[in-house]
Amino acid sequence: ILNVEQSPQSLHVQEGDSTNFTCSFPSSNFYALHWYRWETAKSPEALFVMTLNGDEKKKGRISATLNTKEGYSYLYIKGSQPEDSATYLCPKINNNDMRFGAGTRLTVKP
Amino acid sequence: NAGVTQTPKFRILKIGQSMTLQCTQDMNHNYMYWYRQDPGMGLKLIYYSVGAGITDKGEVPNGYNVSRSTTEDFPLRLELAAPSQTSVYFCASSHRDKNTEAFFGQGTRLTVV
Repeated sequence: ILNVEQSPQSLHVQEGDSTNFTCSFPSSNFYALHWYRWETAKSPEALFVMTLNGDEKKKGRISATLNTKEGYSYLYIKGSQPEDSATYLCPKINNNDMRFGAGTRLTVKP
Repeated sequence: NAGVTQTPKFRILKIGQSMTLQCTQDMNHNYMYWYRQDPGMGLKLIYYSVGAGITDKGEVPNGYNVSRSTTEDFPLRLELAAPSQTSVYFCASSHRDKNTEAFFGQGTRLTVV
């Protein structure tokens, strides 16, 4: 993997469903991995900053895990709500720059 | 704290015109970034800066220039606007030494006609 890859590209779930998506990244030059939530017509806002292999972070119904050795991170949303609809981004922080993948676009239907 | 402020919010340019997108932050962040949002492609890094006086190319630097004369300001210049530069541009900043998240400006929607 040369750049950050996120899957799936888009996801449609019903309100109340739990869901998860994947961020894959090259493990070289790893400094940190961030997760951002990006609502339409707004700016990305940070969810998590993850730095250590095995990190697990949680904020309300959203949690994330990190595996730096194999180069992936998972984001979980428990009991999805319509307000969770957004694009979720996971830029990998290299020694100096911050590069994004295309994101996962989540739509939660009431 | 105002955070990251971008101006203007909207702009229409004619092909060949030039303009500067302004970005300023008041959080004393050392790292600053410029991204463009392309449909289905997420955010592409144009240029970044690790501190005053230091700038580096990102993934898509062609057609753009930047400067970082102060910690607070990181303007992005388009010298000869082209239709391919129609996009939404985001500026972001972070404090790398503290390994904190990046904060984004509200974006500048640029249309080149």
